[in-house]
Amino acid sequence: SQQGEEDPQALSIQEGENATMNCSYKTSINNLQWYRQNSGRGLVHLILIRSNEREKHSGRLRVTLDTSKKSSSLLITASRAADTASYFCATMEYGNKLVFGAGTILRVKS
Amino acid sequence: DAGVTQSPTHLIKTRGQQVTLRCSPKSGHDTVSWYQQALGQGPQFIFQYYEEEERQRGNFPDRFSGHQFPNYSSELNVNALLLGDSALYLCASSPLGTGRAISEQYFGPGTRLTVT
Repeated sequence: SQQGEEDPQALSIQEGENATMNCSYKTSINNLQWYRQNSGRGLVHLILIRSNEREKHSGRLRVTLDTSKKSSSLLITASRAADTASYFCATMEYGNKLVFGAGTILRVKS
Repeated sequence: DAGVTQSPTHLIKTRGQQVTLRCSPKSGHDTVSWYQQALGQGPQFIFQYYEEEERQRGNFPDRFSGHQFPNYSSELNVNALLLGDSALYLCASSPLGTGRAISEQYFGPGTRLTVT
């Protein structure tokens, strides 16, 4: 079963624009993580936000977490063609088990 | 510093056959998790190995089994393959150990299994 649900399922933007992806989950979490996947290959870890944090930044990435609404968002600023990929949120359950959502496909047009 | 490696890259099997996939974790990592990713979906947790034992298991049948070796590398075995087992199989490693904070997992490039 998948816990995180990403929204939108697909997003197409122009280079330089910002991209926002949302994720909702169902149960209590220890932390929430965002991953990127290029062309159906391995996942790359982007950022981790703990349940007691509300916002976190890493380069052009900004993640927010609202545990009362069980939701998170990932903002990519000043997007580039190289940001084209699938993005997944994943909640960390007991014992280092990650539960992934279905992902958002981002296409950045140059 | 070598990352997570998986072999083979691609594999084609016939329904009913058995398959073994291999994974070497990132240096310094002692925990290996396996995930199945069907086309267009997010990865699904299969199981996790630590200290050569299965520590957690997802909702997968007994046809899926695994093993972890003393050097922390791991194998995923799938028996009696079904067409629905066609997927990308991902291995991820992380440092667990006693007292370590839960952290991100490092993923390998995956093995794409096609069952015909």
